[in-house]
Amino acid sequence: AQSVTQLGSHVSVSEGALVLLRCNYSSSVPPYLFWYVQYPNQGLQLLLKYTSAATLVKGINGFEAEFKKSETSFHLTKPSAHMSDAAEYFCAVSRGDFGNEKLTFGTGTRLTIIP
Amino acid sequence: DTAVSQTPKYLVTQMGNDKSIKCEQNLGHDTMYWYKQDSKKFLKIMFSYNNKELIINETVPNRFSPKSPDKAHLNLHINSLELGDSAVYFCASSQRTRTWNTEAFFGQGTRLTVV
Repeated sequence: AQSVTQLGSHVSVSEGALVLLRCNYSSSVPPYLFWYVQYPNQGLQLLLKYTSAATLVKGINGFEAEFKKSETSFHLTKPSAHMSDAAEYFCAVSRGDFGNEKLTFGTGTRLTIIP
Repeated sequence: DTAVSQTPKYLVTQMGNDKSIKCEQNLGHDTMYWYKQDSKKFLKIMFSYNNKELIINETVPNRFSPKSPDKAHLNLHINSLELGDSAVYFCASSQRTRTWNTEAFFGQGTRLTVV
């Protein structure tokens, strides 16, 4: 079975400060990992994905994440927070094999940006 | 053009009623999903279909019946609605590849409220 754990259901950072959202995964097979963002009353939008190529993945809106197998982590970072980054962020894992194409999500982290 | 569109966006109904949510994708994908997001924002897979064939059914009550008339559409019918069915339901689609390294695209969600 696969799972992800997001540490911190709420994170607050000041505008311009570093954003760090934590995600640890558990998987019996090499995982595919994703970060999605959800703005209020909207659907989910993909920020970035790890699919066994480069371990440092760059995404949209200045976000990036690093896959660390030894730590089973896939933390999301952004060097400088912007007010528009305020949203709910979800880490997700997938096995990636036929017949099992589903995302298993973490419980989400709400990011608040302090002006 | 909306890639994955769901109707309706909001649905308020009484307990015991039967209701349907429709989903259409214009991305040419062959796999579609229904996810449920509860009041605590937790997202969980309900069903997935590949080329109109059911491939994942995550122990969802049989009051929920998905139907895929073609690979661009996946509808969700719910019988005898209960208070606990209140949630946001997301439709998503993706393209099956050999390594499934492609992301899922999500609709805007349908907020179902059962009173």
